[in-house]
Amino acid sequence: SQQGEEDPQALSIQEGENATMNCSYKTSINNLQWYRQNSGRGLVHLILIRSNEREKHSGRLRVTLDTSKKSSSLLITASRAADTASYFCATLPSGAAGNKLTFGGGTRVLVKP
Amino acid sequence: GAGVSQTPSNKVTEKGKYVELRCDPISGHTALYWYRQSLGQGPEFLIYFQGTGAADDSGLPNDRFFAVRPEGSVSTLKIQRTERGDSAVYLCASSLGQGGSETQYFGPGTRLLVL
Repeated sequence: SQQGEEDPQALSIQEGENATMNCSYKTSINNLQWYRQNSGRGLVHLILIRSNEREKHSGRLRVTLDTSKKSSSLLITASRAADTASYFCATLPSGAAGNKLTFGGGTRVLVKP
Repeated sequence: GAGVSQTPSNKVTEKGKYVELRCDPISGHTALYWYRQSLGQGPEFLIYFQGTGAADDSGLPNDRFFAVRPEGSVSTLKIQRTERGDSAVYLCASSLGQGGSETQYFGPGTRLLVL
């Protein structure tokens, strides 16, 4: 079963606009990570935010984490056609041995040129 | 350097057959993970190895699924008596260690279709 719920399931925007997607999860976490997947194949790690962090930036990406609401958001600013992909949040539960990630269902983003 | 590679990239088999899926992790990565992704869903954890041993196999759906990593590098996921419901993309990932902040690097996956 999947830990996270992502919202929206699909998002269509124009190039240059910002894209925001949200992730909710159920259990306490060690960290939350965002991944991108093109064409249903390999995932690319984007950013990791720890449970004691509230916001993190990486280039055009901004991630927030609210552990009281068990939710996170990913903002992509000034989107490009190359950002078209599916985006997944993944959580590492607190106390988990190793690095066993639990993924959400993903948000499919289409950036129109 | 090379990333995680998986072979074959696509596999079509008939119900009831046996299949093996191979994963070559990044050189030097001690942790290796298998996930399964059904169409339109996120990946689901199957099993992870630290070195040669399976540290957590709680995600394997049943005893038809088995994975090995005999020398602590290449891993093989084995599925016996395949069923149509096994059709999915099987993803492998590796990380340098098993710490919670270690980035997992994913391979391109093997798309398995059971007819």
